[in-house]
Amino acid sequence: DGGITQSPKYLFRKEGQNVTLSCEQNLNHDAMYWYRQDPGQGLRLIYYSQIVNDFQKGDIAEGYSVSREKKESFPLTVTSAQKNPTAFYLCASSPDRGFAVQYFGAGTRLSVL
Amino acid sequence: AQSVTQPDIHITVSEGASLELRCNYSYGATPYLFWYVQSPGQGLQLLLKYFSGDTLVQGIKGFEAEFKRSQSSFNLRKPSVHWSDAAEYFCAVGRTGTASKLTFGTGTRLQVTL
Repeated sequence: DGGITQSPKYLFRKEGQNVTLSCEQNLNHDAMYWYRQDPGQGLRLIYYSQIVNDFQKGDIAEGYSVSREKKESFPLTVTSAQKNPTAFYLCASSPDRGFAVQYFGAGTRLSVL
Repeated sequence: AQSVTQPDIHITVSEGASLELRCNYSYGATPYLFWYVQSPGQGLQLLLKYFSGDTLVQGIKGFEAEFKRSQSSFNLRKPSVHWSDAAEYFCAVGRTGTASKLTFGTGTRLQVTL
């Protein structure tokens, strides 16, 4: 089945630690996105990528980093510079021809120990 | 800059009753508009979208939405709600630019009473 797989489902971060969230898609989509979801705030765009080896900052990129070495993979690293990382993180992809619909993974919940 | 307002944080309806969730957007041109639904701890599922053409759009699970340019609204409706419709609903507007970026509203949580 085609889709977007996020792992792990739950993740815990210790003080000063970097953690990486995985996002893989087998939809052959060109564009991929990372969102952060906090209660009562909707979804906010962290980073997005339209093509391999290229990515752009979204609205709240500080404290996060990404890479796009393969079309199907777009991992997100939450660095120690992100002082409030507790949130639900959602990955999405789209075909990126004209304006296209985004399809979402099931999310990763990150908590701080 | 684009923005989306969902004025109702929480709505409770009885099963079988009709539903309308409100969405207002701010955008300078004809927008791309979306409704997504999210069950607890899950990702977002697309219910319907408006790109152009007929202003009344049909979606999955019996939902529909009407684009009203004069009111800058894209309200979601369902004639008869089922208990399984309980979830959080997000309205979103597509931004112009080189990628299909979305601006989301803050969501409306729907509770269905039996």
